[in-house]
Amino acid sequence: NAGVTQTPKFRVLKTGQSMTLLCAQDMNHEYMYWYRQDPGMGLRLIHYSVGEGTTAKGEVPDGYNVSRLKKQNFLLGLESAAPSQTSVYFCASTRNSVNQPQHFGDGTRLSIL
Amino acid sequence: GNSVTQMEGPVTLSEEAFLTINCTYTATGYPSLFWYVQYPGEGLQLLLKATKADDKGSNKGFEATYRKETTSFHLEKGSVQVSDSAVYFCALRADSGYSTLTFGKGTMLLVSP
Repeated sequence: NAGVTQTPKFRVLKTGQSMTLLCAQDMNHEYMYWYRQDPGMGLRLIHYSVGEGTTAKGEVPDGYNVSRLKKQNFLLGLESAAPSQTSVYFCASTRNSVNQPQHFGDGTRLSIL
Repeated sequence: GNSVTQMEGPVTLSEEAFLTINCTYTATGYPSLFWYVQYPGEGLQLLLKATKADDKGSNKGFEATYRKETTSFHLEKGSVQVSDSAVYFCALRADSGYSTLTFGKGTMLLVSP
């Protein structure tokens, strides 16, 4: 009963380093999303995917790239990390069906020094 | 564009008190409305939803009614418990597009014994 799994759970990077956050879902959902959560800002959509091989920009896409090579996985990449990208990152997924809720992972806490 | 406005927190209550967290929205068409809850250190969990005007969503003693005339979806609970302490997010999903959610900034609820 895994649902949506995010790895890693915590990470500290130095400015300019790169890394990839992995999201995996076992519910056969078509749609997947990456959000960032910052104090007083709620959740903001970074990128999303409506199917394998497709991605689209959300509200705050700059500085991030994504890939959806397999239906169950959605990767979020930071090519050159900046302190402004210090945040908690959440992945979510949902079915391609009206009124279905999004299911969230437990988050990745990322600090950029 | 779409937007969600929630009352700012924290909301501090004693156990068994009545809870209201206000949420209003701006959207075209007929969005679906959601309340998510986030417990410390965890991801977001769906609390309840409503998909059309006058629908009432309910779960775990929480209720919210979709009021199109006032563009509101206020969260209520008759008697809160210490275990309800969490951050509550109101969100909408437009009736077109790819199921992306627009979140409010969240309201922290603190319940004391």
